[in-house]
This record gives sequence, structure tokens and C-alpha cells, in this order.
Amino acid sequence: DAGVIQSPRHEVTEMGQEVTLRCKPISGHNSLFWYRQTMMRGLELLIYFNNNVPIDDSGMPEDRFSAKMPNASFSTLKIQPSEPRDSAVYFCASSLVGTSGGQITYEQYFGPGTRLTVT
Amino acid sequence: QKEVEQNSGPLSVPEGAIASLNCTYSDRGSQSFFWYRQYSGKSPELIMFIYSNGDKEDGRFTAQLNKASQYVSLLIRDSQPSDSATYLCAVNEDDKIIFGKGTRLHILP
Repeated sequence: DAGVIQSPRHEVTEMGQEVTLRCKPISGHNSLFWYRQTMMRGLELLIYFNNNVPIDDSGMPEDRFSAKMPNASFSTLKIQPSEPRDSAVYFCASSLVGTSGGQITYEQYFGPGTRLTVT
Repeated sequence: QKEVEQNSGPLSVPEGAIASLNCTYSDRGSQSFFWYRQYSGKSPELIMFIYSNGDKEDGRFTAQLNKASQYVSLLIRDSQPSDSATYLCAVNEDDKIIFGKGTRLHILP
């Protein structure tokens, strides 16, 4: 299995530009998560999808951020317009939420991340 | 606000010794607990998960869970320099996972 795939791996853009980050989850997984990681705030959950439906977007910082999951194998996170404070590493993770021996299982697997720099 | 707390470290441990990493959480309803390892510049890697009270062992790693005290720990036996990384504790809140800010572990050769 190729694991979670993210693109691009690095993105440098100027303030005000639109940025689109892409993610392909592990085949067969039914949940997808977008995280942002900075030194100051650690790993923050932005939004997650279950069976392609957005479940919780309370972590999305503001209206400049939007995410879509048009099918089970693809998701995008868009920032428009971008600002310098959006500079961070953005991770996508996927999991198969199910049950094993009566226990709900949530193990998440992360992609390599996209390092975003907004100047 | 439900939280997962970890000491940021760095925690320095001599090679070959036992490294003990600790985590507390605030949500009594949490049922699933995870430890991730993150090397500098890399993504978090799932190394252990535990769902029931008690201990779970996998090779040199042991996860310990005490739900009454809302406490989960990770023990690394025979620590190696390659274990030097940041260790993130994570706890489920409904269908999502809340991460602590991580503990930096440094194994001294």
C-alpha cells in the first residue's frame, strides 16, 4: 500500500494567492482528516470527513479555508487568500473507523505533509 | 475544552535505559489512546494504541492505561539513539482524535 499521498510536498507563495493542497487517502479507509502543525500550537485538527461527508469543521480557522472530498480517494484543502500566518506544515491523515472485538477503532495514518510558506 | 497534556521535555535518557513518557487527558469518555512518534521534519507515525485498562506490549514498547486516573504512559525499554524523536499522545473525542503537543525524547549515546 502506498500510504497517504499528499501534494505538493513544498509550496511557497505570496500573500493573497490561492493555495490548494491535495490528499489521496489509503484505499478502503472511510475517514479523512486535515491537520496543521506549528511549533507554537502543535498539531491542530482543521476538518474531518467520514464517508466523504464533512463531519466537523470547527477547527477551520476562518472563511479563507475550505475543504472538499468529492470522492473516497481524493480531498483538497484550499486557502484563499493566503496570509503569512498560514505558514505551517499541513498533514492529511486517513483511518478506517470500525469495530474490532467490540471496540471502535480509530487508528490514523498520516501523509508526508505539505510545508507551506506564505511570504 | 478537552485537552491532552504532555511534558514538552526534552527528556534525556541514557542509551540502554528505560524511557518513560506520560500523558494525561481530560475527557472521561475517551476510549481509545494512541502514541505517535515524529522525527524532525517527518510526519507522525503510529507506534502503539491501547483501548483497555492495563498494559499492552509490542517489542520494546509498552503502553499503560489507567482510566480512573485519566493517565496513559509509554515505556521504551533498552532505549536506542534511533528512539530520539518527539512522542505525541492522542486520545479520541467522539470520532476525532485530540493530540497533545508532544514530548521531545533524547537518547544519550
